[in-house]
Amino acid sequence: EAQVTQNPRYLITVTGKKLTVTCSQNMNHEYMSWHRQDPGLGLRQIYYSMNVEVTDKGDVPEGYKVSRKEKRNFPLILESPSPNQTSLYFCASSLSRGPGRGYTFGSGTRLTVV
Amino acid sequence: KQEVTQIPAALSVPEGENLVLNCSFTDSAIYNLQWFRQDPGKGLTSLLLIQSSQREQTSGRLNASLDKSSGRSTLYIAASQPGDSATYLCAVLMYSGGGADGLTFGKGTHLIIQP
Repeated sequence: EAQVTQNPRYLITVTGKKLTVTCSQNMNHEYMSWHRQDPGLGLRQIYYSMNVEVTDKGDVPEGYKVSRKEKRNFPLILESPSPNQTSLYFCASSLSRGPGRGYTFGSGTRLTVV
Repeated sequence: KQEVTQIPAALSVPEGENLVLNCSFTDSAIYNLQWFRQDPGKGLTSLLLIQSSQREQTSGRLNASLDKSSGRSTLYIAASQPGDSATYLCAVLMYSGGGADGLTFGKGTHLIIQP
């Protein structure tokens, strides 16, 4: 089944403890992105990647890192999480950076930083 | 900077009604526009994708239109059902010169269909 898989689905952590949220897609998509969703603010893009080894900042990149060493994986790294990073996170992928076939989203990761 | 606005923010209608959700965007230099559905606590499910050169797309009871020059899209839902209750999001994909600058979402319309 074609899908975007995020892990974990739920995570509670403490301030300052480094964490990684994994994202993997099995559709050979070139384009991948990370978004966070907050009440009243909607979905905002954190980082995106047009292909392997190519990443760019979205609207809210502060406090996050990403890497794209392989086409299928696009992990989101929080080096020193803070409570304001408590949010619902989504990974997405698309066939290409052009008009493409639209986006496929993962099921989300609900992160709580205490 | 692209801004996407969805009106109304919330809508409650009786079952069986036809309804229209609106999405507007400020920068018409888009690759495409996509409508999604999100159920509470769940991920996003793609409903319809309209390329910038297209005027509309249809899937079952859903019809989405795009007027790029005026920066507007509408999602028409025919014969609404309680199972249509969800938050509907529109998103535009930008381009600038050589490639996409990223995806910008509206804040969504929270739809409730009353049985």
